[in-house]
Order: sequence, then structure tokens, then C-alpha cells
Amino acid sequence: KQEVTQIPAALSVPEGENLVLNCSFTDSAIYNLQWFRQDPGKGLTSLLLIQSSQREQTSGRLNASLDKSSGRSTLYIAASQPGDSATYLCAAYAGGTSYGKLTFGQGTILTVHP
Amino acid sequence: KAGVTQTPRYLIKTRGQQVTLSCSPISGHRSVSWYQQTPGQGLQFLFEYFSETQRNKGNFPGRFSGRQFSNSRSEMNVSTLELGDSALYLCASSLAGYLSEEQFFGPGTRLTVL
Repeated sequence: KQEVTQIPAALSVPEGENLVLNCSFTDSAIYNLQWFRQDPGKGLTSLLLIQSSQREQTSGRLNASLDKSSGRSTLYIAASQPGDSATYLCAAYAGGTSYGKLTFGQGTILTVHP
Repeated sequence: KAGVTQTPRYLIKTRGQQVTLSCSPISGHRSVSWYQQTPGQGLQFLFEYFSETQRNKGNFPGRFSGRQFSNSRSEMNVSTLELGDSALYLCASSLAGYLSEEQFFGPGTRLTVL
């Protein structure tokens, strides 16, 4: 059974800092890994999707890496801004017959203060 | 391109009642997945539909059911509501739900059971 863990559970940083969010998964046979952002009371916004054959993906100030052998993914946020404050979730997709099923971590609550 | 839409956005019901939630996927997407999000359990997979067929189901009691229509719109139904069913219900859509695809989430329906 796939389990996804995110560390830290919460993070508070001053504006401008570079930061790293961590995600680990127990079953390395994943098909892809997706990072999401969730604002309070809202739905999920997809940030980055990394296929199992890829090592990293970049979008603007965000960079996500994937190391299947160690069961880890990291989300790097450069030059953080107050608008980055949200909950960040990672989710692993097993593929195969696990149609549509993402297994989520509990999330990291990020606060960026001015 | 319109995103995933969910209606209603908010619902208040009493124990024992039943409720129906609706999800319209992104145009062209044929896979719809449903998730329940609670503070204690996080995001948990309910089920996935493709071409009007349920292909995958999570560990939820039979009170939770769903269906998909020929236009890919999906509904989920919860019968005999319990207090513990209070949650944010999210649906996600993707092209086919099993390839290396990104999943896109709607804003959610906030269900409160009194």
C-alpha cells in the first residue's frame, strides 16, 4: 500500500528566502508524481507533474525533482513571496489499474511573511 | 478553456438525509475522480469513472455512490448522511485517467452535516 509523507508539516519563512519542501513515498513503482497548491477552503491547483522517467520539472520559480530509487521528491521555491502562502501537497500515481487514484501526503503549510 | 466545475459549492444537510454533488470535467476529459478531504484524514480517493463505467473505487462504505453520464459529467451521492461525512468533496478530471496525465481539480463542494 502506497504511503506518502511530507516534511515539514508547517514552515514559516521571511519573504525572499529560497525553500525546499519534501515528499517521500513508500512504493517506488510510481507512474508519476504531482505537486499541488491549495489555498484555504479552495480546490487544488496543479503546479508540476513529473513523469517516472523524468528527474525534474521547472515552472517559473518552482522546481520539482524526483528520485524513485530513494522514494523522494522535493519542491524548490525560489525567492519566496507572501502570495506563495498556501498548503502544498504532493501526490503519487501508481498507474496500471489504479485508474485515477492519486495518493496524497498530508501537506506542508507554508507561510511567507513580508 | 473552462476548468473543472462543481455544484453546489456549499451544502448544509442533517443526519439521515441524502445529498447529490455534481462535477463537470474539462471539455474533452473523459475520466472523473472524486476525493474526500477532511482535516483528520486528508485527501482520500472515493472512485473514478470513465465512459460511464466505474473503474476504481476507494475504501468507503456503500452509502457513497456515483455515476457518469455520456457527456462525462459525473455525480456522486451520499445516502443516510452521518456527521463524519462533513468534508470538502473534490473532483478531478483527466483525459483518460491511466496515462501519464495531469489531473485537474475543481473548487470543491463543502458539505456540512448537522
